Amino acid sequence: EADIYQTPRYLVIGTGKKITLECSQTMGHDKMYWYQQDPGMELHLIHYSYGVNSTEKGDLSSESTVSRIRTEHFPLTLESARPSHTSQYLCASSDSGAGANVLTFGAGSRLTVL
Amino acid sequence: AQSVTQLGSHVSVSEGALVLLRCNYSSSVPPYLFWYVQYPNQGLQLLLKYTSAATLVKGINGFEAEFKKSETSFHLTKPSAHMSDAAEYFCAVSGPGPSHKLIFGSGTRLLVRP
Repeated sequence: EADIYQTPRYLVIGTGKKITLECSQTMGHDKMYWYQQDPGMELHLIHYSYGVNSTEKGDLSSESTVSRIRTEHFPLTLESARPSHTSQYLCASSDSGAGANVLTFGAGSRLTVL
Repeated sequence: AQSVTQLGSHVSVSEGALVLLRCNYSSSVPPYLFWYVQYPNQGLQLLLKYTSAATLVKGINGFEAEFKKSETSFHLTKPSAHMSDAAEYFCAVSGPGPSHKLIFGSGTRLLVRP
């Protein structure tokens, strides 16, 4: 079954720790995205990739970094977590077929930094 | 530039009543418009999309939306609310075609009273 997977779903971690949020999709989509979502606020695009070895920063500045070594995998890393990084992070993917850019979302990773 | 405004962060209706969630957009190019739904602790799921074809768009779960260019609106409606419709709803806009990124509104939480 084609889908997009995020791990961990929930993470509570102390300040200064390095964390990696994993995102994998089985649909063969060439485009992948990371959104940050705070309660009661819109989703903000923080990173996107249009293919292997291609990554761009999104509209919202983020201290996180991403990599795209394989088509199906788009991990997000925070080298030193801080309480301000507490948020929900949503991964999404889409293909480059004709028509609208329809995103398929993962279930999200909720990060709490103490 | 593109933006989306969702009027009302919370909407409460009785079960069986009409659901109306408002979305206004701003776009310097012909817009594609989307409604996504997010259930608790889940990612976003596409409800429906407008891609310059029919102005009245039907989606899943009995929802529909009408594109009104003169009003720059894309309101979401459902004739009769069900308890299972309680969720967060996001309106989004993009440019025409698969290469354009989505801009999301801040979301509207729909509460359904028994």
